Amino acid sequence: DTEVTQTPKHLVMGMTNKKSLKCEQHMGHRAMYWYKQKAKKPPELMFVYSYEKLSINESVPSRFSPECPNSSLLNLHLHALQPEDSALYLCASTSGVGPSYEQYFGPGTRLTVT
Amino acid sequence: GENVEQHPSTLSVQEGDSAVIKCTYSDSASNYFPWYKQELGKRPQLIIDIRSNVGEKKDQRIAVTLNKTAKHFSLHITETQPEDSAVYFCAARSTGGGNKLTFGTGTQLKVEL
Repeated sequence: DTEVTQTPKHLVMGMTNKKSLKCEQHMGHRAMYWYKQKAKKPPELMFVYSYEKLSINESVPSRFSPECPNSSLLNLHLHALQPEDSALYLCASTSGVGPSYEQYFGPGTRLTVT
Repeated sequence: GENVEQHPSTLSVQEGDSAVIKCTYSDSASNYFPWYKQELGKRPQLIIDIRSNVGEKKDQRIAVTLNKTAKHFSLHITETQPEDSAVYFCAARSTGGGNKLTFGTGTQLKVEL
């Protein structure tokens, strides 16, 4: 199994809603990531988990809350989002914690905030 | 921190021609350089990567070259096909940057028939 999976594929939510994005990998990877991507732009790093601990938070607003319940699962909890938060949210993983490990992306969740 | 510049932003070639995309990086401690291809509505897909102890790597029609002294690396696609049309992102990861990949701004490649 060489895939990173994400659910849901699409999500529409209002600014007062609470929702969660889910990411899963069964490759034994020890680092997992959340990215935000706007159209025609590169992925923008949000959070990094290494060995299930948050290691990087790129000054993301608190309305985004990450969680890593176990080594295979990564969640992103959303609350009180703004329309400008509409984007493709990508999860990724790497097999090791270090600079030269290959990073694989999931298919993403297309989020629309109304 | 690391800064990656990528050129050109758009590239149009005829089918069968070669395409070259260039990136420069700022952090001399960077030692891993992947290239991603992203088709419209799809995930970024790792197509080739190179580590700093190697100057060139080739995989069928795709090759990447790295010049550590000049701090630049390039993607070469030969015999381009319409299915090569996509956005290509270069990236760099530094030994001092934890697990953070810094991406270039992307190149929209269009292969015309």
